[in-house]
Amino acid sequence: EAEVAQSPRYKITEKSQAVAFWCDPISGHATLYWYRQILGQGPELLVQFQDESVVDDSQLPKDRFSAERLKGVDSTLKIQPAELGDSAMYLCASSRTRVSYNEQFFGPGTRLTVL
Amino acid sequence: SQQGEEDPQALSIQEGENATMNCSYKTSINNLQWYRQNSGRGLVHLILIRSNEREKHSGRLRVTLDTSKKSSSLLITASRAADTASYFCATDLRGGSQGNLIFGKGTKLSVKP
Repeated sequence: EAEVAQSPRYKITEKSQAVAFWCDPISGHATLYWYRQILGQGPELLVQFQDESVVDDSQLPKDRFSAERLKGVDSTLKIQPAELGDSAMYLCASSRTRVSYNEQFFGPGTRLTVL
Repeated sequence: SQQGEEDPQALSIQEGENATMNCSYKTSINNLQWYRQNSGRGLVHLILIRSNEREKHSGRLRVTLDTSKKSSSLLITASRAADTASYFCATDLRGGSQGNLIFGKGTKLSVKP
């Protein structure tokens, strides 16, 4: 069964350092999402891509976060510089299209700890 | 911001019992979805109910939706230890950015063998 791949699974970094997370969605899925999940909370959307285009990044802290999906397939989320409050699980999800009734398939996540 | 609120925050039951979780939301929706998350893992889609539906079943899952009360419930019948997980409702807001889901804080379910 096809899955969303994410790497690394765990990342420990010091504040002010740069970190990057990678996501490979299910083949053929046009829509890709990055979420942040703080411990004990539900996921919160950071950015949504349709193919290679950003369609919603209203919740992305653009002073330090950036995301790209250059060829419309895999995607990278970067944080520079990392802050203590960025410690969280970063989840990637994909769906066939943007239509609202499509289920989203989630990857295993990257757990980030900022020291 | 999170629009869904699950209730209870935590639920502990014995294997074989039924588990009921509730979700309330604030604004009109296109549909509501339930997801499960095992400890430290990604989320798995369980079921979707559209705004014009009132009840839906999938295996041991039963979901209801009351749009007049802006609430939904998820019932898991004959629970198993493997059902231990956190359960989240997620809403697709009417008039919102298409495909964007807003998740609640979740209910943590513990099923004891």
